[in-house]
Amino acid sequence: SQTIHQWPATLVQPVGSPLSLECTVEGTSNPNLYWYRQAAGRGLQLLFYSVGIGQISSEVPQNLSASRPQDRQFILSSKKLLLSDSGFYLCAWSVRVGADTQYFGPGTRLTVL
Amino acid sequence: DAKTTQPNSMESNEEEPVHLPCNHSTISGTDYIHWYRQLPSQGPEYVIHGLTSNVNNRMASLAIAEDRKSSTLILHRATLRDAAVYYCILRHNAGGTSYGKLTFGQGTILTVHP
Repeated sequence: SQTIHQWPATLVQPVGSPLSLECTVEGTSNPNLYWYRQAAGRGLQLLFYSVGIGQISSEVPQNLSASRPQDRQFILSSKKLLLSDSGFYLCAWSVRVGADTQYFGPGTRLTVL
Repeated sequence: DAKTTQPNSMESNEEEPVHLPCNHSTISGTDYIHWYRQLPSQGPEYVIHGLTSNVNNRMASLAIAEDRKSSTLILHRATLRDAAVYYCILRHNAGGTSYGKLTFGQGTILTVHP
């Protein structure tokens, strides 16, 4: 069966510090990978998606970047965090072809102080 | 992307059926209707999806109107564990694009009373 991992589960960082969140998927090959952010409230916003190693598409301009160094690894980064980067970050994967369902990880709650 | 409209909140009693409505009057012919739910402090969880016909799975049923402008997620017997935010999402079939973007709205907060 497939599983998706995210770490850390929670993170408190000062403004201006760097960020690295990691997501890995097990039990599948060539997945589509996604990073979402959920700010205070309920809506999720798609930040990045990737259809393959080294292929990253950004949905919104922001202070963050994403990388996919391996097939089942997706990393979200920032060089200097802003207060507005606080939120609940979720990684998700889907089957490459016919991507009907997305499977989400447990999330990382980031607080920038 | 076509938009969905859901009530902000609904309440139910345990072991009673729950009908969660969703309006999507601007849905296109290739939009799939997806439902996800999010329990507190967890990532969203897929519930069910459909295109035109009603769908059933172990978690819920999805009833789709004949004109496809609305749908209803049915939980046959609500439990306390069903308390969550329920999202109705239209998944745009972008033809040759395989990434399948999901656009989450505000969803419906379901409260289940014991």
